[in-house]
Amino acid sequence: GAVVSQHPSRVICKSGTSVKIECRSLDFQATTMFWYRQFPKQSLMLMATSNEGSKATYEQGVEKDKFLINHASLTLSTLTVTSAHPEDSSFYICSAREAAFHSPLHFGNGTRLTVT
Amino acid sequence: QKEVEQDPGPLSVPEGAIVSLNCTYSNSAFQYFMWYRQYSRKGPELLMYTYSSGNKEDGRFTAQVDKSSKYISLFIRDSQPSDSATYLCAMKGTGGYQKVTFGTGTKLQVIP
Repeated sequence: GAVVSQHPSRVICKSGTSVKIECRSLDFQATTMFWYRQFPKQSLMLMATSNEGSKATYEQGVEKDKFLINHASLTLSTLTVTSAHPEDSSFYICSAREAAFHSPLHFGNGTRLTVT
Repeated sequence: QKEVEQDPGPLSVPEGAIVSLNCTYSNSAFQYFMWYRQYSRKGPELLMYTYSSGNKEDGRFTAQVDKSSKYISLFIRDSQPSDSATYLCAMKGTGGYQKVTFGTGTKLQVIP
């Protein structure tokens, strides 16, 4: 149980274009989803917390107009990287938590974004 | 000082060895403790989840939490080459909006 599906697993795009990443909880409802970014040999950096039916909460230093998050249902959150630049190239990972706040996080398999 | 300290390794052990992975933390408010395994280019996979102090065992994995020392451990018995991965500790306090704080991860290599 507690499976999180993330799509696509890899994407290459040209500088200036936008990319959308989907995160779905397959067998549970997730009122809260989280988006992380991971740099090589570094731990997970929380970008934003996505709450179903409300605006996302962004961490300090994360541009909300660049990283658009939509949590339209209890099983789907999307991250759109707008006007991507090479410095946005990274590994993006979503996670979801079941309804109880003390439930652990379950992660998707990540999306490797390369901006050329 | 980081809230969570974890030795990045790499840690190399022969197949069949007992592996000990550890994290220390400074925030006494942490109550929930997790261990994740992350293979290269994959998302973290939840291995163990514990609340407060004590031990928890699941197959070859044992998680220990010592809140008095602010020290958590993950033991892997009879280690296998398939255990080669990066292991992340994570922890959070109580309260609905408490964030999860991650260690930087320890890279483990089990040599056949």
